[in-house]
Amino acid sequence: DTGVSQNPRHKITKRGQNVTFRCDPISEHNRLYWYRQTLGQGPEFLTYFQNEAQLEKSRLLSDRFSAERPKGSFSTLEIQRTEQGDSAMYLCASSLASNNEQFFGPGTRLTVL
Amino acid sequence: GENVEQHPSTLSVQEGDSAVIKCTYSDSASNYFPWYKQELGKRPQLIIDIRSNVGEKKDQRIAVTLNKTAKHFSLHITETQPEDSAVYFCAAIRDDKIIFGKGTRLHILP
Repeated sequence: DTGVSQNPRHKITKRGQNVTFRCDPISEHNRLYWYRQTLGQGPEFLTYFQNEAQLEKSRLLSDRFSAERPKGSFSTLEIQRTEQGDSAMYLCASSLASNNEQFFGPGTRLTVL
Repeated sequence: GENVEQHPSTLSVQEGDSAVIKCTYSDSASNYFPWYKQELGKRPQLIIDIRSNVGEKKDQRIAVTLNKTAKHFSLHITETQPEDSAVYFCAAIRDDKIIFGKGTRLHILP
């Protein structure tokens, strides 16, 4: 599979629990982006990496959210002490630094009960 | 910061007719403008893009125009088909910052 993949595809959790999502970008892509999308809205930028360096974080990214890309390949997004307002689709995208074309993964749909 | 406005939020067109979706942006330094199509329950897919040094780009039934002076860009779909029904998002990118519009739900009527 040469596309962006994300796991899990769906996650249901109880309020207060921690969750972790994984994104595997297109192999030659050095940039990796995380977005959140709620119903009826466009994707909202959360953070992005160039190789292993996290270069930008949105104001939307509260201190309960943390993302890593330790080896410059896959990335994880962790949400601690989940709240009902965290329920959303979490999308990952990747691109080459030389080209802004971003390709999205299928997303992880998070439901916080 | 950048702000992207997209209109209309919903658009219904007869099959075979044309559809036009418009976006405006606020940051004159934005230099890349992609359009994404998202079908229900699926990932956004890049369908066409335009860079700030180009005024128009066409790919079969899809075209995008950019007016840098007015800071607006538009998506044109001609000879619409049922499979064009989806939500379409515009976006504006400056350096590494990308802002999406809120989307247009396009319905193709039989």
